[in-house]
Amino acid sequence: QVLLVQSGAEVKKPGASVKVSCKTSGYTFGTNTLHWVRQAPGQRLEWMGWISAGDGNTKYSQKFQGRVTITRDTSASTAYMEVSSLRSEDTAVYYCAREVGGPFDIWGQGTMVTVSS
Amino acid sequence: QLVLTQSPSASASLGASVKLTCTLSSGHSSYAIAWHQQQPEKGPRYLMRLSSDGSHRKGDGIPDRFSGSSSGAERYLTISSLQSEDEADYYCQTWDTGTWVFGGGTKLTVL
Repeated sequence: QVLLVQSGAEVKKPGASVKVSCKTSGYTFGTNTLHWVRQAPGQRLEWMGWISAGDGNTKYSQKFQGRVTITRDTSASTAYMEVSSLRSEDTAVYYCAREVGGPFDIWGQGTMVTVSS
Repeated sequence: QLVLTQSPSASASLGASVKLTCTLSSGHSSYAIAWHQQQPEKGPRYLMRLSSDGSHRKGDGIPDRFSGSSSGAERYLTISSLQSEDEADYYCQTWDTGTWVFGGGTKLTVL
């Protein structure tokens, strides 16, 4: 069974950084690209970027370029997403998802990040 | 610019059928999309990949009540024999040259 298990909820102050993890199991980590998507309260899904788990290549949405960093640890079959210079508008649920040639077929359970002073 | 447009809301009665629409922006009518379901307070769940010719491949465990079809730039998700648990937000998704895009979602109410 393919699973993506994310780290727990975070509360951060404006200006801080947050790093969310996404531990995968049930498949060969290096064979798929992993994406990060966020959803602010009551809002639509918003694509943030991806990492090729095999070679570590990344690409980010223009909106998040320079403020989001996606990395991976192949030995731990885990991907990470870090957002810096947090502001209140970054309060959202963050999801990782596995891509299969375009569609995202498996999603993590989501990680709530709250930015509040 | 690659954009997906969805109606904000739809409703249908228990046991009936409903057809949700996702429209691709001009110049992108040949693109495949994916449909995802998000039940209240839950994460998204992959339903299917839908190609421009209407062929679709569903995710594991997705009931036969869910089907997809296409016409021009429009991609459809049809849910038959509606059940209460089908009340959810439905998002379409597409991709192009390393960039992914979601539609605004359709909130389906089962009456």
